[in-house]
Amino acid sequence: GALVYQYPRRTICKSGTSMRMECQAVGFQATSVAWYRQSPQKTFELIALSTVNSAIKYEQNFTQEKFPISHPNLSFSSMTVLNAYLEDRGLYLCGARDISYEQYFGPGTRLTVL
Amino acid sequence: QEKVQQSPESLIVPEGAMSSLNCTFSNSASQSIWWYQQHPGKGPEALISIFSNGNKKEGRLTVYLNRASLHVSLHIRDSQPSDSAVYLCAVSANYNQGKLIFGQGTKLSIKP
Repeated sequence: GALVYQYPRRTICKSGTSMRMECQAVGFQATSVAWYRQSPQKTFELIALSTVNSAIKYEQNFTQEKFPISHPNLSFSSMTVLNAYLEDRGLYLCGARDISYEQYFGPGTRLTVL
Repeated sequence: QEKVQQSPESLIVPEGAMSSLNCTFSNSASQSIWWYQQHPGKGPEALISIFSNGNKKEGRLTVYLNRASLHVSLHIRDSQPSDSAVYLCAVSANYNQGKLIFGQGTKLSIKP
């Protein structure tokens, strides 16, 4: 079956430091990978969408300078939260879409910023 | 920017009864509407999606879409305690993209 793994599941970082999270699609080839964030008391917000052979598209309020993403192949993507502060805390979800347009989500990486 | 609103915020339903969840969206041209189930500590899992006006049934789930009223509903027949979770409505703005706009979720609790 199609699965999406995310690593780490939980992480704590000091304010002003950076942390990297990874997303691995297993059992299918991901034609696109979307990174979402669920902040406390909010729903999921799209950070950026990465499609094979296209530039990574960032949503308003999110930038490549703050959330650089690497998508080197069809099954792997990573995102770094640079210079993390309190407002960056939340659950970061990776959603990978297969050729039938169904999107599979990983369990998320929960980021706590001290 | 597409907006997705869900109601109610939380719902308690007796075991065996019907659970009904609602979702409204702002753009009638939205492509697909998805319902996801999220258990604590896990990512959302797709339950059912609908594209065309009307209804779609899969097992105990029925979804109704009315594009004219910008409304979609999810109904769970014979609700079970294992159905207790947060249910997210998500709208796909463009079928060729992987972008989903999520509602804030409905927390469903099934009481034995």
